[in-house]
Amino acid sequence: EAQVTQNPRYLITVTGKKLTVTCSQNMNHEYMSWYRQDPGLGLRQIYYSMNVEVTDKGDVPEGYKVSRKEKRNFPLILESPSPNQTSLYFCASRRTLPNTGELFFGEGSRLTVL
Amino acid sequence: AQTVTQSQPEMSVQEAETVTLSCTYDTSESDYYLFWYKQPPSRQMILVIRQEAYKQQNATENRFSVNFQKAAKSFSLKISDSQLGDAAMYFCAYRILLSGGSNYKLTFGKGTLLTVNP
Repeated sequence: EAQVTQNPRYLITVTGKKLTVTCSQNMNHEYMSWYRQDPGLGLRQIYYSMNVEVTDKGDVPEGYKVSRKEKRNFPLILESPSPNQTSLYFCASRRTLPNTGELFFGEGSRLTVL
Repeated sequence: AQTVTQSQPEMSVQEAETVTLSCTYDTSESDYYLFWYKQPPSRQMILVIRQEAYKQQNATENRFSVNFQKAAKSFSLKISDSQLGDAAMYFCAYRILLSGGSNYKLTFGKGTLLTVNP
């Protein structure tokens, strides 16, 4: 089954404790991206990756890091989480060609930073 | 800046009736894609329908259809014969061209929460 898998689905942590949200896709997609969803703000892009070893900032990259060492994986790293990073996070992927922009989403990761 | 606006934070509809969710966007491009995504309580983002700007015919997927008005930059979603399972947050999204001209991303509206009343 084609899918984007995120882990963990739920996480409660404390300020300053480093955490990683993993993302893996099995569709051989070149493009992967992270979004955060906050009430009244919709989805905003954090980082994206066009392919292995190619990453770039989205609209709200502050406080986040990413890496793309393998095509299927695109982890999101919060080196020192803060309460304003409490949010619902989505990983997504798509094909490069044809480039319709259609994204396939993971099931979301609910993060709470105390 | 290219933006997507959903002016209705919440909407409600009676089961079996029709509801229209509005979306407007701002762009200087002539060729682009527009999407409606559905997010039920499970939080999964599900693609509902896609419209290619160069196609004049409005996209349709079963009970879901769009009214695409290119000149007005409007992209509304019509849900016919509404069902309880249609209750969800609906996001309008636009594929925008990134600087450099070789890549695109989706930018989303803030969403419309649809309630379906039995």
